[in-house]
Amino acid sequence: GENVEQHPSTLSVQEGDSAVIKCTYSDSASNYFPWYKQELGKRPQLIIDIRSNVGEKKDQRIAVTLNKTAKHFSLHITETQPEDSAVYFCAASIGPRSGGYNKLIFGAGTRLAVHP
Amino acid sequence: DGGITQSPKYLFRKEGQNVTLSCEQNLNHDAMYWYRQDPGQGLRLIYYSQIVNDFQKGDIAEGYSVSREKKESFPLTVTSAQKNPTAFYLCASSSFGGTYEQYFGPGTRLTVT
Repeated sequence: GENVEQHPSTLSVQEGDSAVIKCTYSDSASNYFPWYKQELGKRPQLIIDIRSNVGEKKDQRIAVTLNKTAKHFSLHITETQPEDSAVYFCAASIGPRSGGYNKLIFGAGTRLAVHP
Repeated sequence: DGGITQSPKYLFRKEGQNVTLSCEQNLNHDAMYWYRQDPGQGLRLIYYSQIVNDFQKGDIAEGYSVSREKKESFPLTVTSAQKNPTAFYLCASSSFGGTYEQYFGPGTRLTVT
């Protein structure tokens, strides 16, 4: 079936360094790729998303790149800060199957720790 | 605090009992979702609904049931047939479906002993 693989599962960086999280997806029809951040004990929240008609999107210290040919996309966080410490999830949209609707398939998550 | 709410925050049940988790949204969203979150496994889709009185099975629907009688509400019942019900359950909603931002509720942590 469809799946999204996410690497690494844990990432530890020093404050000020960059962090990169990578995801690959299996469904060539996927066209929407969001990234969610989940702080400890809180709900996941969207931090950035990208659609298949663009290759890169930036929002301040966060950027996402998409390579549709290779079916992978990445989250880049620059100048990391301790408050960036959280679990990050990537996801890819999956089209309707057998009368269903579009849905998201999530990666397993990356636990990012930013050390002062 | 509007948006999407779930209750209760913590729920304890004995094995063999059915339990219903509440999810309500006031965002006027058409689509609603239920996910299960286990350590190291990300978010796995249980059920989802695009319109009232219609819903679809997700990847792990066995042992769960849902209803969508109102646009604002999408309750999830964890039945006694669910072999490992202890988990963190998240409800979400979105405007039109899987290609739009999903807004998550605060979650319900269910413990079954």
